[in-house]
Amino acid sequence: QKEVEQDPGPLSVPEGAIVSLNCTYSNSAFQYFMWYRQYSRKGPELLMYTYSSGNKEDGRFTAQVDKSSKYISLFIRDSQPSDSATYLCAMSYTRGGGTSYGKLTFGQGTILTVHP
Amino acid sequence: GAVVSQHPSRVICKSGTSVKIECRSLDFQATTMFWYRQFPKKSLMLMATSNEGSKATYEQGVEKDKFLINHASLTLSTLTVTSAHPEDSSFYICSARVRGDYTFGSGTRLTVV
Repeated sequence: QKEVEQDPGPLSVPEGAIVSLNCTYSNSAFQYFMWYRQYSRKGPELLMYTYSSGNKEDGRFTAQVDKSSKYISLFIRDSQPSDSATYLCAMSYTRGGGTSYGKLTFGQGTILTVHP
Repeated sequence: GAVVSQHPSRVICKSGTSVKIECRSLDFQATTMFWYRQFPKKSLMLMATSNEGSKATYEQGVEKDKFLINHASLTLSTLTVTSAHPEDSSFYICSARVRGDYTFGSGTRLTVV
């Protein structure tokens, strides 16, 4: 079993739709949870990070973490064609630090297309 | 914000040759750099963690003699793919940790012919 599972999609939605992206994980030692957006042939860019159960909102994006269920989600409201990208969830045991425990474990990534 | 500059963005090389990929932290000092490999439509696979001034730590299954990592300064880490083979063709990405967050380079598309 992979440590982090993410539905690869692809996911295609019309402009303005609400998008829900999800990841499950098996290791309860993960404490920090991140969502990255990756455009084709580019490096990932951080969208949001959170470390506690509950919701965190930033503009059109909401990150949700349920540690009891080992489940995280990213919601995108009023989706735009510019949101078309691959979305990767990532998690780590710690946030930063000087040891390998800060290294990230990624989900497979979900390919999202928002069509006009 | 923190920027990691990765070069080259694309490289094509012949089988048997070596290729060097550079990652520079432009406005911060990166004591730790992570090197990833990504296959098409797949996730990022961590290859190794490099720390300035010490030997890199490789993930299980990654050949350290094939993927040479040097982190000689706080602003530069390099990955050299030695004796490249077509199966080494992939997208390589570096990442540095800055105040707890991770900043990624733009990636290098390596094609071995």
